[in-house]
Amino acid sequence: GQQVMQIPQYQHVQEGEDFTTYCNSSTTLSNIQWYKQRPGGHPVFLIQLVKSGEVKKQKRLTFQFGEAKKNSSLHITATQTTDVGTYFCAGATSGSRLTFGEGTQLTVNP
Amino acid sequence: DAGITQSPRHKVTETGTPVTLRCHQTENHRYMYWYRQDPGHGLRLIHYSYGVKDTDKGEVSDGYSVSRSKTEDFLLTLESATSSQTSVYFCATSTSLETQYFGPGTRLLVL
Repeated sequence: GQQVMQIPQYQHVQEGEDFTTYCNSSTTLSNIQWYKQRPGGHPVFLIQLVKSGEVKKQKRLTFQFGEAKKNSSLHITATQTTDVGTYFCAGATSGSRLTFGEGTQLTVNP
Repeated sequence: DAGITQSPRHKVTETGTPVTLRCHQTENHRYMYWYRQDPGHGLRLIHYSYGVKDTDKGEVSDGYSVSRSKTEDFLLTLESATSSQTSVYFCATSTSLETQYFGPGTRLLVL
């Protein structure tokens, strides 16, 4: 079945440093989504990427979808303590449900 | 998000007892999901539903059953709870097979 791998599993940064998490799928995806889960909270949808090579930005967050539509990344510039949480990617193939990666847990030291 | 509630929010039970978790949504979303979340394993799909009385297994369905008699309610039952089922359980809904909206979660401890 479809697998979505996400690295790293954990990332510790100093406030102000950049952060990147990577997502790789075993199959070509129709779209990829990113979710954020704050400590003690539930996953919340951030964004969806659909097109090959697509890049989207949300303030300090930059999301990329690979040319082959099998990988994606989330980059946070100049992290803040409010960025703390676990970031999940989730991939979908046409006609099938989402498959979630295992998530990257980000901690930010002030 | 999407008017999703879960009950109970916290539960402590003993091994061997049956447990039912409830997910209720007010958005009339067609699809509903049950996940469990454990450290190091991310979100693992237990069961999902694509309509009233239409359900299917996810990747970790052993020991769990589900029912959906109404669009708004999706029940997850642990027939005989075991300590390995101690986890945080999330319900989610979606209008298609894609973007999902999660409930607040239920923390279950099986002693």
